[in-house]
Amino acid sequence: DAKTTQPPSMDCAEGRAANLPCNHSTISGNEYVYWYRQIHSQGPQYIIHGLKNNETNEMASLIITEDRKSSTLILPHATLRDTAVYYCIVGWGSGGSNYKLTFGKGTLLTVNP
Amino acid sequence: EAQVTQNPRYLITVTGKKLTVTCSQNMNHEYMSWYRQDPGLGLRQIYYSMNVEVTDKGDVPEGYKVSRKEKRNFPLILESPSPNQTSLYFCASSLLGGRAVEETQYFGPGTRLLVL
Repeated sequence: DAKTTQPPSMDCAEGRAANLPCNHSTISGNEYVYWYRQIHSQGPQYIIHGLKNNETNEMASLIITEDRKSSTLILPHATLRDTAVYYCIVGWGSGGSNYKLTFGKGTLLTVNP
Repeated sequence: EAQVTQNPRYLITVTGKKLTVTCSQNMNHEYMSWYRQDPGLGLRQIYYSMNVEVTDKGDVPEGYKVSRKEKRNFPLILESPSPNQTSLYFCASSLLGGRAVEETQYFGPGTRLLVL
């Protein structure tokens, strides 16, 4: 069962920041928060992940609340090519067992011109 | 370029005709996995492999076989395809799989299969 809750869809204007929320209230202490995206039936693409601290890379920033029950993925300057389904996934961190990503329904982000 | 490749990308076949979808990665990853994606059901894992000659079932293994004779290749075999196996299939790999505390998976471009 999915352990995350995301809004089914969001819109964003091109050039503006896109803020995608994710609730993961049952996250355990050693579980990471991962974000992937899937552009129109292509293979899912890794974006970013974090445990407790906020993270930033060339694609996005990840803000994790202090209680770790929710997080926000930020695309600072969304472009039309960022239109995709964004998946928030929690898990791993145990160092054992099958490394299976459990994808929920994700958020369809539509970037409008 | 680091990548996961799948072939074919598109396939139309008939019920009962054996087929193989190939998957190859050039990153020397130990872990490889197959998923299928269906509308409303998300991605579901079919089989995975922790290393050469080590494979195990995922959530929906019925009707599929896999093999891992070489580290880079992980073919998906449908011995007798049926229409309910019509789906979009993804192969994925990661460096250490279950032995890593944190890790990312790399996905192939997908294979769209239609079984008539």
